[in-house]
Amino acid sequence: NFMLTQPHSVSESPGKTVTISCTGNSGNIARSGVQWHQQRPGSAPTIVMSEDNLRPSGVPNRFSGTIDSSSNSAFLTISGLRTEDEADYYCQSFDSSDQWVFGGGTKLTVL
Amino acid sequence: QVQLVQSGAEVQKPGASVRISCKASGYTFTSYYIHWVRQAPGQGLEWLGCINSKSGGAEYAQKFQGWVTMTRDTSISTAYMEVKRLRSDDTAVYYCARGGADFWGQGTLVTVSS
Repeated sequence: NFMLTQPHSVSESPGKTVTISCTGNSGNIARSGVQWHQQRPGSAPTIVMSEDNLRPSGVPNRFSGTIDSSSNSAFLTISGLRTEDEADYYCQSFDSSDQWVFGGGTKLTVL
Repeated sequence: QVQLVQSGAEVQKPGASVRISCKASGYTFTSYYIHWVRQAPGQGLEWLGCINSKSGGAEYAQKFQGWVTMTRDTSISTAYMEVKRLRSDDTAVYYCARGGADFWGQGTLVTVSS
């Protein structure tokens, strides 16, 4: 089964830059595409990075996405960290049947 | 603006069924699939399946085949998901999301308890 692995948690100080990884155990996530979702406590997820590393309207340009085919990994980078960025972040891609697959989520702490 | 508004929280007994609705507005309903995702307390996101809003054809994650049913009513731009034979570990927040995952509903808490 296709799975996406994320670090359980990351932490960084305000104003700094943090990168969250998302690694696929098979396939080619560069071809499938990866999206990233932010979920604040008690709220529904909201997309912060769509396939092809495009920021949806309203998402600040402090958020950027990249994919490394050699490691079958995607990365979400947040620069100029703010306390409001503290949330859970989920990567999402597609398996061979085009069904959605989520990573386990990464808790970002801004301290 | 695009909105997905879900029905309210439910409390059901084990073995019962629950149907959740997801009303879409702000776009052409039949142009996008509707996906359903759930999140157990303190856990991550889990995809249940999706429905083609135009044709009504549904596809389910293997784990949920046979006890989850997705339907839609195009006349009122609403998608539905029914979960049968509820168990305590079905307690979760259930979300609908537009195809592309660019818009999500607010979530519906389903509590299964005797």
